Amino acid sequence: QVQLQQWGAGLLKPSETLSLTCAVYGESFSGYYWRWIRQAPGKGLEWIGEINHSGSTNYNPSLKSRVTISVDTSKNQFSLKLSSVTASDTAVYYCARGRTVGISPPRYWGQGTVVIVSS
Amino acid sequence: DIQMTQSPSTLSASVGDRVTITCRASQSISNWLAWYQQKPGKAPNLLIYQASSLESGVPSRFSGSGSGTEFTLTISSLQPDDFATYYCQQYNSHPYIFGQGTKLEIK
Repeated sequence: QVQLQQWGAGLLKPSETLSLTCAVYGESFSGYYWRWIRQAPGKGLEWIGEINHSGSTNYNPSLKSRVTISVDTSKNQFSLKLSSVTASDTAVYYCARGRTVGISPPRYWGQGTVVIVSS
Repeated sequence: DIQMTQSPSTLSASVGDRVTITCRASQSISNWLAWYQQKPGKAPNLLIYQASSLESGVPSRFSGSGSGTEFTLTISSLQPDDFATYYCQQYNSHPYIFGQGTKLEIK
């Protein structure tokens, strides 16, 4: 059974860079798309972007200029960096994996990381 | 980008009721649509994929239908555990946008 465990700094100041990592246990890294999704307090879900095992990425255009998603297959981990954060980036950030190899909706989710941006 | 519009935003219903939530896409997404249930403080749980396929372990009272631009999620007989927020998501083309959510409340 695949498990995703995520971690990263939870309190940032405006203009800093958000950095989160998600480790994958119990499943091969290859063939899947690895996603980041966030949810602002009291709001809906926002798709941030994704990466596959070979490093091919797709980003939400609304965040593309500030987002970098990378993968470390040797550690079965993938990471999110979001630069120049503001209060509007305050959210719970989730990592996730599709239900099957290739194009598929997120089925397995990390526990979520609360990130607060405040001066 | 493809926009996803859910209706209603809030739905009040009673245990045993049959309820339907609608999701409309701004352009055709074939059947590349998923439905999720989310409870407070928890990650979303995948219920339906490819518009009508029930995810393993999800009760059969949940069903999905539709193709193209209009989709529905139906709960045939509401159970106490079903009161939550529901989201649709298209995964036909990037970015994989979610609907704004439907909060299902106890009447």
